[in-house]
Amino acid sequence: GQSLEQPSEVTAVEGAIVQINCTYQTSGFYGLSWYQQHDGGAPTFLSYNALDGLEETGRFSSFLSRSDSYGYLLLQELQMKDSASYFCAVSRIGAAGNKLTFGGGTRVLVKP
Amino acid sequence: DVKVTQSSRYLVKRTGEKVFLECVQDMDHENMFWYRQDPGLGLRLIYFSYDVKMKEKGDIPEGYSVSREKKERFSLILESASTNQTSMYLCASSLVGLAGSHEQFFGPGTRLTVL
Repeated sequence: GQSLEQPSEVTAVEGAIVQINCTYQTSGFYGLSWYQQHDGGAPTFLSYNALDGLEETGRFSSFLSRSDSYGYLLLQELQMKDSASYFCAVSRIGAAGNKLTFGGGTRVLVKP
Repeated sequence: DVKVTQSSRYLVKRTGEKVFLECVQDMDHENMFWYRQDPGLGLRLIYFSYDVKMKEKGDIPEGYSVSREKKERFSLILESASTNQTSMYLCASSLVGLAGSHEQFFGPGTRLTVL
């Protein structure tokens, strides 16, 4: 089967840095994605790693280590609007197409 | 902008009713997905479709069926709704292939309550 583990909640202050870890066990792994979801909103795509290393997109960065089955999302210069849930998701190669399996989500609360 | 729309934001049904949730996307995506989202469990895949009339079971297909008669439309059917199907239902679409399938575009969700 597939499983992903990420912390359930993280609290930090504005301007701080938060790292959300994600460990996974899955067959047919192709890559790791991150999604953001504000309360009452739809999940939106943030970043994707297919190769080992760091991908940077503005204040957000994502890292993958395939050998360790581990990745993280780094949120820098936290802003109040970053308060949201963040989900890691593995891309799996399947005979009938490519699917995502999501982790349980990490709720990030940014305090003033 | 990719747009994925769902037929209802909120829906209340009674146990045993047949329920239809509809999803439409306007970006000519091949892949379409139905998830349910419950607190602490993330998004769990119910069914997906990679082409018209093609469907595959996801991780939790029991109690659900789907229909894809047109490329832009993907319907989720609860044949006989039960209280444990009370949840947020999210539809998504994506391109096919390894280069694009990791980015899924989600609709706003339908919060279904089964009484």
